[in-house]
Amino acid sequence: DAGVIQSPRHEVTEMGQEVTLRCKPISGHDYLFWYRQTMMRGLELLIYFNNNVPIDDSGMPEDRFSAKMPNASFSTLKIQPSEPRDSAVYFCASSLGSGSLAGGETQYFGPGTRLLVL
Amino acid sequence: AQSVAQPEDQVNVAEGNPLTVKCTYSVSGNPYLFWYVQYPNRGLQFLLKYITGDNLVKGSYGFEAEFNKSQTSFHLKKPSALVSDSALYFCAVRDIDDKIIFGKGTRLHILP
Repeated sequence: DAGVIQSPRHEVTEMGQEVTLRCKPISGHDYLFWYRQTMMRGLELLIYFNNNVPIDDSGMPEDRFSAKMPNASFSTLKIQPSEPRDSAVYFCASSLGSGSLAGGETQYFGPGTRLLVL
Repeated sequence: AQSVAQPEDQVNVAEGNPLTVKCTYSVSGNPYLFWYVQYPNRGLQFLLKYITGDNLVKGSYGFEAEFNKSQTSFHLKKPSALVSDSALYFCAVRDIDDKIIFGKGTRLHILP
């Protein structure tokens, strides 16, 4: 398996523009997580899905952020409009549920998208 | 709510010396504990986990962690540090609904 795939790897945009980050989880994983990492705030969980359904979006900073998972192999995180304070590295991770005998709970992270909003 | 604490922002160790990265936890019920490592410009990588059983858990790259229930600790250890072990290390605990709560991270510097 190729692991968790994220695109783009780098994104530079201007304030006010829409940004869409993409994630392909590991095939067969039923959980998908979006994180944001900054020097100031560390690693923050933004939202996570189970079987394509959003379970907890309490970490989403504000209404400018939205996430979707239209199917088991694809998710997007959208920021509209973007602001300079959104500059961060955004990670997607996937896992099997804890009930899985195949080793659930361990999260597998993608390489991240480094976002810079000017 | 479940939580983990990593009391050290940074740990410096000479190459070849043993290393310890500290983690304490607070959970209700039985803890599911993890260590992840992040190398520069990479995503987090799973190192090891404790769910049940032997208190000494062995993981990738020669790392191990000791679960201590009385001290509510899960310190990461390695007998002999390598320069390539320099990275950011995260302790984590499983919260409800399979969500994982990460600590703030400890930066490990191995000095040649």
